[in-house]
Amino acid sequence: AQTVTQSQPEMSVQEAETVTLSCTYDTSESDYYLFWYKQPPSRQMILVIRQEAYKQQNATENRFSVNFQKAAKSFSLKISDSQLGDAAMYFCALPFLTQGGSEKLVFGKGTKLTVNP
Amino acid sequence: GAVVSQHPSRVICKSGTSVKIECRSLDFQATTMFWYRQFPKQSLMLMATSNEGSKATYEQGVEKDKFLINHASLTLSTLTVTSAHPEDSSFYICSATVAGGRADTQYFGPGTRLTVL
Repeated sequence: AQTVTQSQPEMSVQEAETVTLSCTYDTSESDYYLFWYKQPPSRQMILVIRQEAYKQQNATENRFSVNFQKAAKSFSLKISDSQLGDAAMYFCALPFLTQGGSEKLVFGKGTKLTVNP
Repeated sequence: GAVVSQHPSRVICKSGTSVKIECRSLDFQATTMFWYRQFPKQSLMLMATSNEGSKATYEQGVEKDKFLINHASLTLSTLTVTSAHPEDSSFYICSATVAGGRADTQYFGPGTRLTVL
């Protein structure tokens, strides 16, 4: 069964600094991908970044990057030059295939990020 | 990007009544929709997967007779909480995708806050 673990319930960072959020997972699949989602106070889920497991290169999206360690089943998110708008809940997620052919997501418990001015 | 709406955004009802929540894909045809439940300060928990024109698939522990899901068209899925009780108070989020859609093509609605008095 797929599982996702986020061991940091809360994190804080100073504006303009860098912060890393941790995520570990377990899956029996050999080909998969992983996501980080952001949920700001509005509660709207926003896809931040995606990593495909077969790719050795870590994904990057502007100030967001991941450190993907496949053997260790680790998938951390680094936010550089943190901004006040980055304050949110961050969820790590792992998809797996349903019988209908679509993929459903398993989410970690989330990390609440506070950005201090 | 694709837009998913939910209606209502918040609802308050008396214990014992039924509440219907709508999830609409506004600019694409969603053959699959997912319904999640999120308690305060917790992660999203998948309740059920609904495919257009067929019965929903419920996750283990979710009462299908209590949480009725109908996905009668390619743009609309509804979740009806029957005989609601205070413990059903939660934030309900839907997401929509196309057939065989990858998880990163899941588009999330803004959520519905249900309060049962």
